[in-house]
Amino acid sequence: DQQVKQNSPSLSVQEGRISILNCDYTNSMFDYFLWYKKYPAEGPTFLISISSIKDKNEDGRFTVFLNKSAKHLSLHIVPSQPGDSAVYFCAASARGTGNQFYFGTGTSLTVIP
Amino acid sequence: KAGVTQTPRYLIKTRGQQVTLSCSPISGHRSVSWYQQTPGQGLQFLFEYFSETQRNKGNFPGRFSGRQFSNSRSEMNVSTLELGDSALYLCASSLVASGSGADTQYFGPGTRLTVL
Repeated sequence: DQQVKQNSPSLSVQEGRISILNCDYTNSMFDYFLWYKKYPAEGPTFLISISSIKDKNEDGRFTVFLNKSAKHLSLHIVPSQPGDSAVYFCAASARGTGNQFYFGTGTSLTVIP
Repeated sequence: KAGVTQTPRYLIKTRGQQVTLSCSPISGHRSVSWYQQTPGQGLQFLFEYFSETQRNKGNFPGRFSGRQFSNSRSEMNVSTLELGDSALYLCASSLVASGSGADTQYFGPGTRLTVL
């Protein structure tokens, strides 16, 4: 039962444009969300987080938006750079369950120079 | 500050054998979680250890076990290996400022296990 879903396996964007990666979840108890970037043969690298008390969090070129009513979050990368090409995972944790995170299956982002 | 380290990086075993993987968390981090990554399945949560106790467990058979030592280092053991256990095993550490809340997890490079 996939509680966190990333329905787009891949995304291609021109350098300098905005990349929007989407993530949907089913468990209304999820209250903490993370985005990771992963290169082949490496572990995921933490990008940005958001808790359910917020609907937006920014860190440099990265912004995460959370729509609790729609159970949807998105990661915006502006402007996109070729070095952003990687697989992006969203992850969610439910209230009171410590660090048990549920991950999506990832979206492979390609930024075209 | 050094990141999360995992040893070994690569491992080849045959069916029926057992394997032990090791993870050293970031200094000061008290929680260690283990994940299995296979193609098409994403990252699947195995278990989390905090203060030498298993705090959470995912939906994996009892062949998968772990432990945490007083210095927060953790080991994961898989007994009676099956072909389907071939995967990238990732360890993540967290600071854990509060008892039951979630914290940002920082991942190691993983151990690539191949079962022949």
